[in-house]
Amino acid sequence: AQSVTQLGSHVSVSEGALVLLRCNYSSSVPPYLFWYVQYPNQGLQLLLKYTSAATLVKGINGFEAEFKKSETSFHLTKPSAHMSDAAEYFCAVSVPTNTGNQFYFGTGTSLTVIP
Amino acid sequence: KAGVTQTPRYLIKTRGQQVTLSCSPISGHRSVSWYQQTPGQGLQFLFEYFSETQRNKGNFPGRFSGRQFSNSRSEMNVSTLELGDSALYLCASSLNAGGTQYFGPGTRLLVL
Repeated sequence: AQSVTQLGSHVSVSEGALVLLRCNYSSSVPPYLFWYVQYPNQGLQLLLKYTSAATLVKGINGFEAEFKKSETSFHLTKPSAHMSDAAEYFCAVSVPTNTGNQFYFGTGTSLTVIP
Repeated sequence: KAGVTQTPRYLIKTRGQQVTLSCSPISGHRSVSWYQQTPGQGLQFLFEYFSETQRNKGNFPGRFSGRQFSNSRSEMNVSTLELGDSALYLCASSLNAGGTQYFGPGTRLLVL
């Protein structure tokens, strides 16, 4: 079965500190991987995606994620947190199935930025 | 290109009523997926439509149904509303089935 695990449902960082949000996946085949961000009362916005090109993927708002096959991880990082980064972050995976690609989302990580 | 649009944005219904939510995908996108988001259960997959056919379905009761039209617009219907159906309903479109999903702003449904 395919699944996505986000470690830590709540993460707090100080403004200017490193942001690290963890995501691990289980898939028997190389997946496509995604990070989405959701601000209050809004839909999900695509931050970045990995589609088997470079393992280090740069996204919007200074975020990046590294695909590590050996660790089955796709952690999201940002060198310096900003107050505007406070939001809910979702990791997702798209994997091939016998009926076509299927999307799976993690349970989300709520990021709080402390001034 | 215009993004995914959802109507209405907010809705208040009472138990037992039914509701229809609408989603217009990004132009050219043929796949539409629906999700229910609640504080307790998080983001849960409802169903996905591709070229007017339901391709995948989540674990929801038959009260939840959907359809997709030839122009790729999609509707979802919830009959006999329950209090627990109060949620943010999100629609996402993608170019093809299983592709990168782009989300609309959601419809906030409150069941009283």
